[in-house]
Amino acid sequence: GAVVSQHPSWVICKSGTSVKIECRSLDFQATTMFWYRQFPKQSLMLMATSNEGSKATYEQGVEKDKFLINHASLTLSTLTVTSAHPEDSSFYICSARDAEEGLNTEAFFGQGTRLTVV
Amino acid sequence: RKEVEQDPGPFNVPEGATVAFNCTYSNSASQSFFWYRQDCRKEPKLLMSVYSSGNEDGRFTAQLNRASQYISLLIRDSKLSDSATYLCVPYYGQNFVFGPGTRLSVLP
Repeated sequence: GAVVSQHPSWVICKSGTSVKIECRSLDFQATTMFWYRQFPKQSLMLMATSNEGSKATYEQGVEKDKFLINHASLTLSTLTVTSAHPEDSSFYICSARDAEEGLNTEAFFGQGTRLTVV
Repeated sequence: RKEVEQDPGPFNVPEGATVAFNCTYSNSASQSFFWYRQDCRKEPKLLMSVYSSGNEDGRFTAQLNRASQYISLLIRDSKLSDSATYLCVPYYGQNFVFGPGTRLSVLP
């Protein structure tokens, strides 16, 4: 099946620094990728929808200047958490759908990135 | 009304039990439906798609009722390895909308 690779799996950074997370679709093209955040014991919350070659669409309440998304190719989207603070510590997950498939095609998820800001 | 509602549980059931999860969704324009499972501190993984006529995959049966905007998942003969959080996921437009999940613990 389709594979989405996310890197890094976990990262610890100092408050005020920036962290970049990469999401790659390995064997399919993804015109659209999704970025989610999940706090402990809570559900996945969509942060933004990333479209190849255009600006990302952010959900209400998500700061686009803080969470920079770049989707430069059909197989790579990146999320940069800028000036990270402890409250940004969370589990970040990307997902993608195969652009060629129909409506009943599921989303494939990356392994997730556990970010801890100290 | 929330977009997707699920009973958070936890459902604590003995091995071999049959357990059912329900999910309601608010957007009648939802085009596709999925059940995902998520293990602690891991990414969600697809359990099964949900088709209009209902579908079965081994011990798992999914049903969809578009008129009532309701989806269900039935697990028969529960195994210890079924312990996870089960996420109901309607899809519309370009978005997968995740429910809060129902936590299942299968006990020996």
